[in-house]
Amino acid sequence: GQNIDQPTEMTATEGAIVQINCTYQTSGFNGLFWYQQHAGEAPTFLSYNVLDGLEEKGRFSSFLSRSKGYSYLLLKELQMKDSASYLCAVRSSDYKLSFGAGTTVTVRA
Amino acid sequence: SAVISQKPSRDICQRGTSLTIQCQVDSQVTMMFWYRQQPGQSLTLIATANQGSEATYESGFVIDKFPISRPNLTFSTLTVSNMSPEDSSIYLCSVRMISSNEQFFGPGTRLTVL
Repeated sequence: GQNIDQPTEMTATEGAIVQINCTYQTSGFNGLFWYQQHAGEAPTFLSYNVLDGLEEKGRFSSFLSRSKGYSYLLLKELQMKDSASYLCAVRSSDYKLSFGAGTTVTVRA
Repeated sequence: SAVISQKPSRDICQRGTSLTIQCQVDSQVTMMFWYRQQPGQSLTLIATANQGSEATYESGFVIDKFPISRPNLTFSTLTVSNMSPEDSSIYLCSVRMISSNEQFFGPGTRLTVL
């Protein structure tokens, strides 16, 4: 099974940087995903890490350390539209995703 | 990425009835899954939809309650049977891409059972 932990809430100011940490314990690792979910909408794919290191996509970056069971999502130059829930998900060897409870990020002006 | 559509986008149903949700993808994918997201909670996997064979269900979910079909690589249905208010949830189709190994979600079906 999977135990996935991420903070419940984070608040930051427009233009700032926020880092959302995710720790996991898994019996078979096959990738870590980050999704963004606005209220009332479906999750939107942000990033996928399967090897250690940093993946950068514009304002969003995701980091993975498999040996530590740790990932983070870095949001730079925060905008009001970035206010959303961010879901960390671990994929197992049978390609099933297990999700953390999600981190609600609130961006303030 | 893939374009994933779900029908219906939302529905309000009476207790004891059944609803079938359709998921269509615009490109061939290796795997299709059905998830549920109850109010205020994260996503839970219901089952893996297998092409041409019975779906693989997670603990707590059974075929009689959530029958699933996947007749081809790009289409799947999930039926929520004999509904009760506890089935009120968002039901999401998810696909794993052949080309990139990434995984995407459909827009979801918001179900309310009265």
